[in-house]
Amino acid sequence: EVQLVESGGALVQPGGSLRLSCAVSGFIFSDYYMDWVRQAPEKGLEWVGRSKNNANRYGTDYAASVKGRFTISRDESNNILFLEMNSLKIEDTGLYYCTRGDMMNNWFDPWGQGTLVTVSS
Amino acid sequence: DIQMTQSPSSQSASVGDRVTISCRASQGIIRFLNWYQQRPGKAPKLLIYGASSLKSGVPLRFSGSGSGTDFTLTINSLQPEDVATYYCQQGLSPPWTFGQGTKVEI
Repeated sequence: EVQLVESGGALVQPGGSLRLSCAVSGFIFSDYYMDWVRQAPEKGLEWVGRSKNNANRYGTDYAASVKGRFTISRDESNNILFLEMNSLKIEDTGLYYCTRGDMMNNWFDPWGQGTLVTVSS
Repeated sequence: DIQMTQSPSSQSASVGDRVTISCRASQGIIRFLNWYQQRPGKAPKLLIYGASSLKSGVPLRFSGSGSGTDFTLTINSLQPEDVATYYCQQGLSPPWTFGQGTKVEI
């Protein structure tokens, strides 16, 4: 069974940093693209960024709103996806989902349960 | 960026009704259009990919159609468990963008 389990969400002050983790199981992690998608409270879904697969040298892409502040990486030995977030802003508040991305048609499936990030003073 | 616009924003229907949700892209996306269901308090789930392909395990009352800029999600015979917010998402070019969501209530 494919499983994605996020962790690391917390309350952090503006300008602070946080690292989210997503532990994956049930599939060959290195073969797949992985994405982060966030959802502000009572709002819609926003794609945050992507880690491509081993065949594509784990290249990364980011939304303009987080580029230069957020970094996606992997621990292939332990099947963990990370989202390093720096210079956090109040508007980064939300539920952060880890999801597996289809490399050809770019759908997202499945999704983790999400981890909550609150940026507030 | 490709903008995705859904209509209506919310819809109330009765059990057994047919529900139709529209999604329009700001530019042609061929058939790179996916639909998700997000039940209250839960993570989104993929329902339909490639505009009309039903993900395995999704009830047959869900269907998708369209191409280019205009797409439709149809729920035939609405069930109580279909209460959710539905999102479309384009998969043609990054950044991958979602519609604002359509809340379906009974």
